[in-house]
Amino acid sequence: DAKTTQPPSMDCAEGRAANLPCNHSTISGNEYVYWYRQIHSQGPQYIIHGLKNNETNEMASLIITEDRKSSTLILPHATLRDTAVYYCIVRGLSNFGNEKLTFGTGTRLTIIP
Amino acid sequence: EPEVTQTPSHQVTQMGQEVILRCVPISNHLYFYWYRQILGQKVEFLVSFYNNEISEKSEIFDDQFSVERPDGSNFTLKIRSTKLEDSAMYFCASRGLHQETQYFGPGTRLLVL
Repeated sequence: DAKTTQPPSMDCAEGRAANLPCNHSTISGNEYVYWYRQIHSQGPQYIIHGLKNNETNEMASLIITEDRKSSTLILPHATLRDTAVYYCIVRGLSNFGNEKLTFGTGTRLTIIP
Repeated sequence: EPEVTQTPSHQVTQMGQEVILRCVPISNHLYFYWYRQILGQKVEFLVSFYNNEISEKSEIFDDQFSVERPDGSNFTLKIRSTKLEDSAMYFCASRGLHQETQYFGPGTRLLVL
């Protein structure tokens, strides 16, 4: 799986959009970009994933550059409950022997009141 | 919304004792996983399980570890003889057939004394 690079920490004011970047310059054509977050020591929470098109769901938007070498997770109106560690993970399609998610150190996002 | 559940939430055991961590995956999911997170460290993949057999395992998952799906709802992780370094949060995850997203449980905090 391709390696990802994220800033170790970011702050965002409550109510503003939080934009979390991720570099994945070695991504291959069949690899998806996944975002999870972890609040305190809770289980990782799935946020969103995409292949090449931008994606949006009720939690966030995912913007993937045309060359797919980087992406940005956007939380449109951050709240205090969005304070968490955010993980960007690149993974190919699951098949026998390609199941694992490889977590990095992520970005610790702090929402400031 | 269906979710992965885990029991117990906390477990304290003596070194050398056997522990069994239990997970109830999301109903109708067919792929099951265990991950662990040592305090302050990354989330690490342990094992994936499908069709009653291990499909992938990490170097961490040695002979002291085993997994089982004893009935139609539970998925367990057994550590035969716990060591101090097994102290960690253990997360179960599951995904459905033809789905790529893994959904995580809240975790079991294991403390080995």
